[in-house]
Formats: sequence, C-alpha cells, structure tokens
Amino acid sequence: DTGVSQDPRHKITKRGQNVTFRCDPISEHNRLYWYRQTLGQGPEFLTYFQNEAQLEKSRLLSDRFSAERPKGSFSTLEIQRTEQGDSAMYLCASSPSGTGGMDGYTFGSGTRLTVV
Amino acid sequence: AQTVTQSQPEMSVQEAETVTLSCTYDTSESDYYLFWYKQPPSRQMILVIRQEAYKQQNATENRFSVNFQKAAKSFSLKISDSQLGDAAMYFCAWVRGGSQGNLIFGKGTKLSVKP
Repeated sequence: DTGVSQDPRHKITKRGQNVTFRCDPISEHNRLYWYRQTLGQGPEFLTYFQNEAQLEKSRLLSDRFSAERPKGSFSTLEIQRTEQGDSAMYLCASSPSGTGGMDGYTFGSGTRLTVV
Repeated sequence: AQTVTQSQPEMSVQEAETVTLSCTYDTSESDYYLFWYKQPPSRQMILVIRQEAYKQQNATENRFSVNFQKAAKSFSLKISDSQLGDAAMYFCAWVRGGSQGNLIFGKGTKLSVKP
C-alpha cells in the first residue's frame, strides 16, 4: 500500500463547469476525510466517512458539493457549477477507526483546483 | 467551538540551531489529542508528533519535542539541530478523543532554515 492517492493532481476548469475528484485511502483505514486548503491557510474540514456512511458535513460544504464513498473504499468529491471561490487545494486523508483519533491522519498529496 | 491558534505566521532559524513554534487551543473537552504536521513545498502533510491530553509527559520524536501545558492550553513544538529539510509549513491540530470528530487545524507557521 503506497498511502493515500488523489487524482487528478491538478485541475483547471471554467467557471460553471462540474468537476470530480477521487481519493483512494489506505486500504485498512475505515475513515476518510475531505479538507479544503486555500493559499496560506490551514486545512478546513469538509466532510468525513466511516466506511460508506457520511457521518459529518461542514457548513462549508454547500449544496454544490457532494461526496460519496459507495463501497467504503475510494471516495469522490464533486463540485457542481464551479465558482472562482472554489479554487483551492482539496486534501483527502484517512485513518483507522476506533482509535479515538490518536493515530492522526494520513494525507494524500491533494488536488489543486483552479477555476478560471 | 474548538479553535487552534498559531500566532507566528513566519519563523526563521539558522541551520543547527533550535526553534520553537507556538500553538494555543481553546476547548472545553477533557479528552483530546494534539498534533504537529509538516507540509513541505510538495504539499503533502506529514505527521511530526502527537500528544495525548491525558499524558503529562511531553512527547518527543528525535529532534522534535513538544511543551504541552494543559492548563494554559498551550502546545509548542521545539525543533533542535534544525536542518535545511525542516523548512516547511507547520500546522498545529486538535481532535476530540473517542471515536468521533475531525482534526481542526491552525493557520500554520512558515519555517525557513538559513544555511
């Protein structure tokens, strides 16, 4: 297992288009998280899954955003009708469940989205 | 709501010297964990060190150590014998104990290492 993989690494899209990102977590990790990071800021939580269940969503996750983890393995994050304010790095992370957060998360390299 | 504050946007250290990065947090929880993450220019976040709130002993990982002051809600990171490869953004993060919750990050400190 090579860690958390994210695809694509970079995405440039025109305003109003839809985009979808993929995250493949570490295989034995039940939890998967999505964060957004803008330049010069810390990551901001968007949502997380335990297996296929989406357990929490941030208020940052507007109705244009949707995330899925259909089989409890990889996850997708879709942004509909993109806006320039969506330009950011989208980070995925995974962790084992049942460890009370003590293990921290393993992060992927992120997908950098630029909306023009 | 829980918050994590890093008051130093940028810090600089001479190679081989020691530097301390500050972090404070605000929570009413008693069970939680604290972390320092490093994000080099390649952008992948790497876990540097963790601290369990119920442990009084400060965590240490090779050249990295923390000063955890629970009453003051302070969690600083000390890097000894700084190396050029230590240059990166450093983020302090907090998570509630138990099986729920998500990491909450500070805004980060950019560390530069001078040769």
